[in-house]
Amino acid sequence: GAVVSQHPSWVICKSGTSVKIECRSLDFQATTMFWYRQFPKQSLMLMATSNEGSKATYEQGVEKDKFLINHASLTLSTLTVTSAHPEDSSFYICSARDMRGSGGANYEQYFGPGTRLTVT
Amino acid sequence: DAKTTQPNSMESNEEEPVHLPCNHSTISGTDYIHWYRQLPSQGPEYVIHGLTSNVNNRMASLAIAEDRKSSTLILHRATLRDAAVYYCIPIQGGSEKLVFGKGTKLTVNP
Repeated sequence: GAVVSQHPSWVICKSGTSVKIECRSLDFQATTMFWYRQFPKQSLMLMATSNEGSKATYEQGVEKDKFLINHASLTLSTLTVTSAHPEDSSFYICSARDMRGSGGANYEQYFGPGTRLTVT
Repeated sequence: DAKTTQPNSMESNEEEPVHLPCNHSTISGTDYIHWYRQLPSQGPEYVIHGLTSNVNNRMASLAIAEDRKSSTLILHRATLRDAAVYYCIPIQGGSEKLVFGKGTKLTVNP
């Protein structure tokens, strides 16, 4: 079945440093990947849509200069949290859609296991 | 995006059926109804989706009301592993974005 991996699964960094999180589709190709953030006891919040070979589309209120997204290949998208601060501590989750699908809403998305970021 | 209303929480006993309701009265004619679930400290997992007809898969069944303003996710025999937050998400026909609400936290008692 379709598998999405994330690396690292958890990371602790100091305030002011940058952290890169990788999202890979292991057995399918993904033109589009999505990045979410989830704070404790809250629901997932969509941060951005990552498109292979083009700029990411950010949701309202998400700082594009702080959360850098690169989708360099059909199996890899990265999220870099720049100049991280304690308030960026969260659970970051990516998802992807198999591009062989019919497109639009008649498909399923596959989620990664998440990356827990703690900024001290 | 269509708004959804789900119970905050539900409880079930192991090996009993569970019916998880969702109201989506503002759904449009081309919105697919998706269900995902999230186990503690994990990424969400796809459960099922449909447009108009009822749908079955190995995980669950999806019953969609005739007017499509509500749907029910049915777990035929709940197991402890089914304890999770279940999200009902209508998605516009041409869209790929999942917008998560608060979902229903299902507790399964042994």
